[in-house]
Amino acid sequence: QSVLSQPPSASGTPGQRVTISCSGSTSNIGSNTVNWYQQLPATAPKLLIYRNNQRPSGVPDRFSGSKSGTSASLAISGLQSEDEADYYCATWDDSLDGGEVFGGGTKVSVL
Amino acid sequence: QVHLVQSGGDVKKPGASVKVSCKASGYTFTTYVITWVRQAPGQGLEWMGWISPYNGNTKYTQKLQGRVTMTTDTSTSTAYMELRSLRSDDAAVYFCARSRGDGVVPAAIFDYWGQGTLVTVSS
Repeated sequence: QSVLSQPPSASGTPGQRVTISCSGSTSNIGSNTVNWYQQLPATAPKLLIYRNNQRPSGVPDRFSGSKSGTSASLAISGLQSEDEADYYCATWDDSLDGGEVFGGGTKVSVL
Repeated sequence: QVHLVQSGGDVKKPGASVKVSCKASGYTFTTYVITWVRQAPGQGLEWMGWISPYNGNTKYTQKLQGRVTMTTDTSTSTAYMELRSLRSDDAAVYFCARSRGDGVVPAAIFDYWGQGTLVTVSS
């Protein structure tokens, strides 16, 4: 059971827009910025979005992130076949123990 | 360019220990925290903790407290993660990641990742 809640799957046809939600609480998303990671099959995760909506150099601008209150979302516009991957949201949790928390991951399929 | 190269996979018996290495290059090792994350087969990502190569400060997840130790060797720009008293549910791919701070959080953004090290726990 992950601290951050993501839908297990999402899908779309090439060119469509897909949105992935990430729901948390006041101790995590409500207090800290959110990052998103893309994990292609059998590879290490890759930083996709940081500080809610910033793209690292080299990440296409069809990936965008947003945050509002205790929820965040990742949007992929103009979906491409190479976007088929698992996507994880992550943020710091300020609860008693403290630590980074991840969503359970969303598998994006390109139909 | 930044690279994190991890040690090869390992097979351990329950109760044994494993030590995974992560050799960094392409940047000044002491200026970024190293975070360790693991991923059990078919599962999501799990944060294990971090270590600052600058001063050796560490923070571990409560779940692994007492069984995990993270260290660094600044002379070789290598980080290590040792996990003791291995159990079957410790079987996973272990990743190291270079981490940048964000506000008061010292290791919030994992911008470069190692390739992963598969640890198998089997009798």
